[in-house]
Amino acid sequence: GEDVEQSLFLSVREGDSSVINCTYTDSSSTYLYWYKQEPGAGLQLLTYIFSNMDMKQDQRLTVLLNKKDKHLSLRIADTQTGDSAIYFCAEFSGNTGKLIFGQGTTLQVKP
Amino acid sequence: DAGVIQSPRHEVTEMGQEVTLRCKPISGHNSLFWYRQTMMRGLELLIYFNNNVPIDDSGMPEDRFSAKMPNASFSTLKIQPSEPRDSAVYFCASSPPSGRAGTGELFFGEGSRLTVL
Repeated sequence: GEDVEQSLFLSVREGDSSVINCTYTDSSSTYLYWYKQEPGAGLQLLTYIFSNMDMKQDQRLTVLLNKKDKHLSLRIADTQTGDSAIYFCAEFSGNTGKLIFGQGTTLQVKP
Repeated sequence: DAGVIQSPRHEVTEMGQEVTLRCKPISGHNSLFWYRQTMMRGLELLIYFNNNVPIDDSGMPEDRFSAKMPNASFSTLKIQPSEPRDSAVYFCASSPPSGRAGTGELFFGEGSRLTVL
């Protein structure tokens, strides 16, 4: 079945770049997503990429998609303490019509 | 504009009691989702509705869980009887008919934190 895998934890220093990685299994996914969850809140869509793109840049965020390897990454440049949150990778499965989330990566930003 | 509204934000109850969680989706959204989040299992899709009709309830843990969507602006998730292992944060999310980011653009509420003693 469909599966999305992420590492669980990443710690960086303020000002450094953060890279969060994700692998997925459903090759029929048309969109892939990154959601952010701040403490005590619901998830919010951070950015997304269409499956026919390799890269998408949005201010400090860069999304890279390697469709051959089914690998998605999120790079946050100049990471700030306000970026501390849980980041979820998600794919929309064309097979099931569902949004499948990874386990989430907790990003800790040290001052 | 108001986002997805969930109530209650926190609920503490005793094992065996009935729990009802409520959700008001964003006006104009036609899909509604109920998720459960725990440390052990992460984010699990319980059920989702499209145009008020349940489409997939395969994630509902067992018969103690039920969900309804009587109209486009209201949904409930009921647990009867509740058990300690039901303790989790329950999220409701809605999505529009055609979003800028495809059908995976969900708008989440702030969640209902349930503790069953």
